[in-house]
Amino acid sequence: QKEVEQDPGPLSVPEGAIVSLNCTYSNSAFQYFMWYRQYSRKGPELLMYTYSSGNKEDGRFTAQVDKSSKYISLFIRDSQPSDSATYLCAMRAQGGSEKLVFGKGMKLTVNP
Amino acid sequence: EAGVTQFPSHSVIEKGQTVTLRCDPISGHDNLYWYRRVMGKEIKFLLHFVKESKQDESGMPNNRFLAERTGGTYSTLKVQPAELEDSGVYFCASKLGTGGGEQYFGPGTRLTVT
Repeated sequence: QKEVEQDPGPLSVPEGAIVSLNCTYSNSAFQYFMWYRQYSRKGPELLMYTYSSGNKEDGRFTAQVDKSSKYISLFIRDSQPSDSATYLCAMRAQGGSEKLVFGKGMKLTVNP
Repeated sequence: EAGVTQFPSHSVIEKGQTVTLRCDPISGHDNLYWYRRVMGKEIKFLLHFVKESKQDESGMPNNRFLAERTGGTYSTLKVQPAELEDSGVYFCASKLGTGGGEQYFGPGTRLTVT
């Protein structure tokens, strides 16, 4: 079983839709949770960073972490064509190794 | 503030040759990480430097890979000799302090071994 599971999609939505992206994980030691956005042929760009459980909002983006279910989500409101990219979840444990463990990434297309 | 930079952006080499990838972290970031993504797989961790010291090299696939960070600034990742399965995108990331904190990624080096 992989430590982090992410549906690779692809996902196609109309402009203005609410997008929900999710990852599940198996390692209960994970405490730091991140969402990265990656445009084609570019490096991953940090979008949201959350420590432990709870919600975090930044503009049109909301990240949620449910540690009891080992489930994290990223919501994008009022999606725009410029949001079209691959979204990767990543997480790491507290203490010990600082390596990030990534999901496979979900390719999102927002159609005008 | 300049981000993480990597050079070259793309390298094509033949099996058995040597390639050296370079990463310049964000200025002042003591932590430097190497990751790679092979076709169809997740981005996977290779190793972590704190300044010039290797903190964690648990992800290095084998002894054909050698990473250095002399002086605690830029880092190089050498693959010698390269094999076909080494093809992929090699990312470098950096982070400011110890413990928690965000890792910022560079644009990657796309390595193709033919």
